Amino acid sequence: GDSVTQMEGPVTLSEEAFLTINCTYTATGYPSLFWYVQYPGEGLQLLLKATKADDKGSNKGFEATYRKETTSFHLEKGSVQVSDSAVYFCALGGSNYQLIWGAGTKLIIKP
Amino acid sequence: NAGVTQTPKFQVLKTGQSMTLQCAQDMNHNSMYWYRQDPGMGLRLIYYSASEGTTDKGEVPNGYNVSRLNKREFSLRLESAAPSQTSVYFCASSEVEGAYTEAFFGQGTRLTVV
Repeated sequence: GDSVTQMEGPVTLSEEAFLTINCTYTATGYPSLFWYVQYPGEGLQLLLKATKADDKGSNKGFEATYRKETTSFHLEKGSVQVSDSAVYFCALGGSNYQLIWGAGTKLIIKP
Repeated sequence: NAGVTQTPKFQVLKTGQSMTLQCAQDMNHNSMYWYRQDPGMGLRLIYYSASEGTTDKGEVPNGYNVSRLNKREFSLRLESAAPSQTSVYFCASSEVEGAYTEAFFGQGTRLTVV
């Protein structure tokens, strides 16, 4: 069945460092792909999405490109801030109205 | 615009007690979901409702029941709580339009069963 694998955390970086959080998926067809972010004590909110191959989603300085050939949707940001500390979830739009979730990656940014 | 509202935010139950988690959305979405979030396991779908009047089991439905009361409201009931149901519960809603569109989440209910 469909699945999402993302890199384990926590990921600890210094402020202004470059960020990559890896996400790969297994799916039939061409699902939509998503990155969600969860700040401490809050629910999840959509960070960015891509609905077809080679699409690039972007928001708040974060980017991810839908790579069909490598079945990947890696999250990147050129210069992270302390306020980016959160848990990041990769997800794909599966069948039957369901989202398939990765386990989440906790990001810690140190000043 | 409130989005998705869950109540309560925190709850402590004794083993065997029952309770209902309430969820309401004001975005006129057809689809609603209940997830549980456990450390290191991401989100797991308990039940979902693709449209008013329908409900379906997700990945981990055992021990839970749901009611889609109307288009706005989707409740989750624990009939006899167990310590294994200690978790953070999230309600979400979405409008599916061809390709899967984004889900909007409530703030969560932190449930502890002792």
